[in-house]
Amino acid sequence: DVKVTQSSRYLVKRTGEKVFLECVQDMDHENMFWYRQDPGLGLRLIYFSYDVKMKEKGDIPEGYSVSREKKERFSLILESASTNQTSMYLCASSPWTEYEQYFGPGTRLTVT
Amino acid sequence: GESVGLHLPTLSVQEGDNSIINCAYSNSASDYFIWYKQESGKGPQFIIDIRSNMDKRQGQRVTVLLNKTVKHLSLQIAATQPGDSAVYFCAENPNTGFQKLVFGTGTRLLVSP
Repeated sequence: DVKVTQSSRYLVKRTGEKVFLECVQDMDHENMFWYRQDPGLGLRLIYFSYDVKMKEKGDIPEGYSVSREKKERFSLILESASTNQTSMYLCASSPWTEYEQYFGPGTRLTVT
Repeated sequence: GESVGLHLPTLSVQEGDNSIINCAYSNSASDYFIWYKQESGKGPQFIIDIRSNMDKRQGQRVTVLLNKTVKHLSLQIAATQPGDSAVYFCAENPNTGFQKLVFGTGTRLLVSP
């Protein structure tokens, strides 16, 4: 089974802090994605990566950056956390040949 | 547990009924569609998918119907069980050259025993 893990289930940070969310997949997938999920808005794509060191902006990249130094790991970075970044963050991966994405359990981030 | 989608449309059914969850998509160029189920406190899980060259696809207790004329997708769950209670999302690949998915806002399914 594909396994996508995220470093934390719950995280509480203060406004202005730098925040790192880590995602690791164990199936050698080329594509990796970061979404945020908010009530009534569904999943919105922040960034995705289709290869090591490659990244593409999604629909809501402002205030976020990403890093993919190794194929299995995709990090989401909040350079200076703000309260409007309080959300559920979901990581997903997929192989190059498929559209189906495999999701991690999510990280509930609260910025106070 | 987690509260996902406080303002979601909700479908309430009795155990044993058939459920139909609907989804409208916007991009006529989309060539792939997928349904996910998200239980409280978990990430979305794959249910079934369909390509644009098909109208119908069946899985175990689930059927997806695609109507490209009106850009409509539906998920039918037969003999709904309490374990089917979750939020259901449809998603489409907008055929932009990357394997991105664009997600709908979701529907909450509540199954009463």
